[in-house]
Amino acid sequence: KQEVTQIPAALSVPEGENLVLNCSFTDSAIYNLQWFRQDPGKGLTSLLLIQSSQREQTSGRLNASLDKSSGRSTLYIAASQPGDSATYLCELTNTGNQFYFGTGTSLTVIP
Amino acid sequence: GAGVSQSPSNKVTEKGKDVELRCDPISGHTALYWYRQSLGQGLEFLIYFQGNSAPDKSGLPSDRFSAERTGGSVSTLTIQRTQQEDSAVYLCASSTQPPGYSGNTIYFGEGSWLTVV
Repeated sequence: KQEVTQIPAALSVPEGENLVLNCSFTDSAIYNLQWFRQDPGKGLTSLLLIQSSQREQTSGRLNASLDKSSGRSTLYIAASQPGDSATYLCELTNTGNQFYFGTGTSLTVIP
Repeated sequence: GAGVSQSPSNKVTEKGKDVELRCDPISGHTALYWYRQSLGQGLEFLIYFQGNSAPDKSGLPSDRFSAERTGGSVSTLTIQRTQQEDSAVYLCASSTQPPGYSGNTIYFGEGSWLTVV
């Protein structure tokens, strides 16, 4: 069974700092991996989607990487802003079309 | 049951027909979410319920889609006049906390696979 772990569970950084969020998984037979952010009172917002054949995706200040062989994905946030404060979730879809979410990292960016 | 239950698990319908998808969340979970995933795509958020109210309906793709939740428990997602692009797996999830709370765990059902022919 796929296990998805996110470290750290919580992170607090000063505004302007670059940061990395980690997601590790136990089964490399994945179809795609997606990073979401979760804001209070809102549903999940998809940030980046990486297909199994891809190594990374970039959108603005965000960069997500995927290394299936090591069972890892990272989400890099450049020049963090207070508006980046949210819970960040990684989600994997495996080749059997089953869905697994990580436990989340709660990010606080201090002005 | 112990988990999120969805029905039907598979549905094949003709274009133009209406379909209803049902979700039974985990007992006591106040937050309920609907997502869909089309072939080759990531998860797409549709709607979120807190109790019986829906603070966020922003993900519903068109006015053919509607959802309701009664008694703070069961939810129904209705698609009217189905189109082929509606073919996807529709996932329901629930959690004890509203979204955005640290440590909030979201539990997913196994999905309802919809094929519109």
